[in-house]
Amino acid sequence: AQTVTQSQPEMSVQEAETVTLSCTYDTSENNYYLFWYKQPPSRQMILVIRQEAYKQQNATENRFSVNFQKAAKSFSLKISDSQLGDTAMYFCAFMNLQGGSEKLVFGKGTKLTVNP
Amino acid sequence: NAGVTQTPKFRVLKTGQSMTLLCAQDMNHEYMYWYRQDPGMGLRLIHYSVGEGTTAKGEVPDGYNVSRLKKQNFLLGLESAAPSQTSVYFCASSYQTGAENTEAFFGQGTRLTVV
Repeated sequence: AQTVTQSQPEMSVQEAETVTLSCTYDTSENNYYLFWYKQPPSRQMILVIRQEAYKQQNATENRFSVNFQKAAKSFSLKISDSQLGDTAMYFCAFMNLQGGSEKLVFGKGTKLTVNP
Repeated sequence: NAGVTQTPKFRVLKTGQSMTLLCAQDMNHEYMYWYRQDPGMGLRLIHYSVGEGTTAKGEVPDGYNVSRLKKQNFLLGLESAAPSQTSVYFCASSYQTGAENTEAFFGQGTRLTVV
């Protein structure tokens, strides 16, 4: 069974600084997607960034980038130039692409606070 | 384009009562999921469906049943509600895995309290 582990329940960062959120996962599969989702106080789940496992290049979306280490099964999220609006829960998620087990599994989340 | 819509948004149940949560998506997605979110536990998968007429158990299926009679709808049922089922429930849907730019789209959540 696939599992996703986020080892940092809470983190804080000063506005304009950089922060990295950690995520590790466990799978025996070779073909999958990884995601970071953001959940602000509004409770809405918002996709931040996506990484396909077959792509070696790390995904980037504006101030958000990932460090994908497939052999180490690590998928960290870096937020550059942190903004107050980045304050939220961040969830790492894994989606298997093998037929018959296409579950989307989440970690327990990291609560990020951006301080002014 | 409504995306993923959950009904109702809030509900209070008495122990032993039953109810059905409705999830509707208008994106022609194959995959649909039901999660519960509890403090410190993240999102835990209850049941999911990989297509019309199919369902499968997730991590925490006990006490819940689901049905996917129509592709656009995924129903979550509680036959006899218990206080342990007090939670925020999220529905999500996604394209068939392997599709380019796949992602899960979420509803706004349903806050359920069982007293």
